[in-house]
Amino acid sequence: GEDVEQSLFLSVREGDSSVINCTYTDSSSTYLYWYKQEPGAGLQLLTYIFSNMDMKQDQRLTVLLNKKDKHLSLRIADTQTGDSAIYFCAESIGNYGQNFVFGPGTRLSVLP
Amino acid sequence: GAVVSQHPSWVICKSGTSVKIECRSLDFQATTMFWYRQFPKQSLMLMATSNEGSKATYEQGVEKDKFLINHASLTLSTLTVTSAHPEDSSFYICSARFPAEETQYFGPGTRLLVL
Repeated sequence: GEDVEQSLFLSVREGDSSVINCTYTDSSSTYLYWYKQEPGAGLQLLTYIFSNMDMKQDQRLTVLLNKKDKHLSLRIADTQTGDSAIYFCAESIGNYGQNFVFGPGTRLSVLP
Repeated sequence: GAVVSQHPSWVICKSGTSVKIECRSLDFQATTMFWYRQFPKQSLMLMATSNEGSKATYEQGVEKDKFLINHASLTLSTLTVTSAHPEDSSFYICSARFPAEETQYFGPGTRLLVL
């Protein structure tokens, strides 16, 4: 079945870049997403990438997609303490791509 | 971006009672909404897909008589946890599919505690 994997923890120093990695299994995924969840809150859509793209940049966020290896990454430049959260990778599956499969989430800790 | 709200944010109830959670898309129409459950320090588990004007589609292992879903309008879906028990205590999150962007926008979640 579909599976999305992520490393569970990442610690970086404030001002450094963070790179969160994700691997997925469904090669027919149309879109891949990154969501951010702060404690006790819902999920905030950060960015998404269409499967025929290999890179997307949005301010401090850079998404890289290697479709051959089914590998997705999220790079956060100049990481701030406010970036501390859980980051979920998700792939869209199904005939209309409407169902999402989420990874376990990567807990990013930003150290001062 | 699109906004999805949930109500209530917190609910504490006695075992055996029923609890209704509302999910609203505030600035767009959503023909499809989703209900997820999240256990502490875990990822989201899809419970069901809610389609406006038709029956919800439940994931394997989710009791449809226990978790009643009604998607009566293009901006509102409700999840009713019937005869709630302590094991139903969890964080319930809804999302709405935003057609123009092929994305899902999530509500802030509802924390349910059943005593």
